[in-house]
Amino acid sequence: EADIYQTPRYLVIGTGKKITLECSQTMGHDKMYWYQQDPGMELHLIHYSYGVNSTEKGDLSSESTVSRIRTEHFPLTLESARPSHTSQYLCASSDRINSYEQYFGPGTRLTVT
Amino acid sequence: AQSVAQPEDQVNVAEGNPLTVKCTYSVSGNPYLFWYVQYPNRGLQFLLKYITGDNLVKGSYGFEAEFNKSQTSFHLKKPSALVSDSALYFCAVRDSGDSWGKFQFGAGTQVVVTP
Repeated sequence: EADIYQTPRYLVIGTGKKITLECSQTMGHDKMYWYQQDPGMELHLIHYSYGVNSTEKGDLSSESTVSRIRTEHFPLTLESARPSHTSQYLCASSDRINSYEQYFGPGTRLTVT
Repeated sequence: AQSVAQPEDQVNVAEGNPLTVKCTYSVSGNPYLFWYVQYPNRGLQFLLKYITGDNLVKGSYGFEAEFNKSQTSFHLKKPSALVSDSALYFCAVRDSGDSWGKFQFGAGTQVVVTP
């Protein structure tokens, strides 16, 4: 079944740790996105990718980095986590066949203590 | 540039009454419009979209939306709300000429349906 997965779903980590949030999709979509969302608030695009080896920063400045080595995989890394990084991170993917309708993963809720 | 406005932070409605969530947009080209719903601690779920054709779009869970080009609006409606419709609703727009697929999301509207 085609889907988009995010792991972990919940993560509590101490300040200064390096973390990687995983996102994978099985739909073969060329475009993938990372959004940051505080609970009950609007979504902010922090990174996007048009395909393998193509990544761009989004509208909201973020200290995180991303990579796109394989079409299906779009991990997000924080080199040194801080309490200000506490948020929910949503991954999405799309392609032109469905007019770029974005399909969302379940999200990772990150808490940095 | 593209933008989306959801003028109401929260909409309160009694179960069984009609539900409307407002959305207006601005885009330089032709708009592709979307509605998503989000339940607590979950990702966004697709409800419906307008790409072209009939201005009235029907979607999941009994929701529909009407595209109004002159008013640049895409309001979400449901004839009879359920308590289970209580959630956060997002409107989104993208320019049909933008092949990069980036969305502009609204700030979201919290819907509260009371029994």
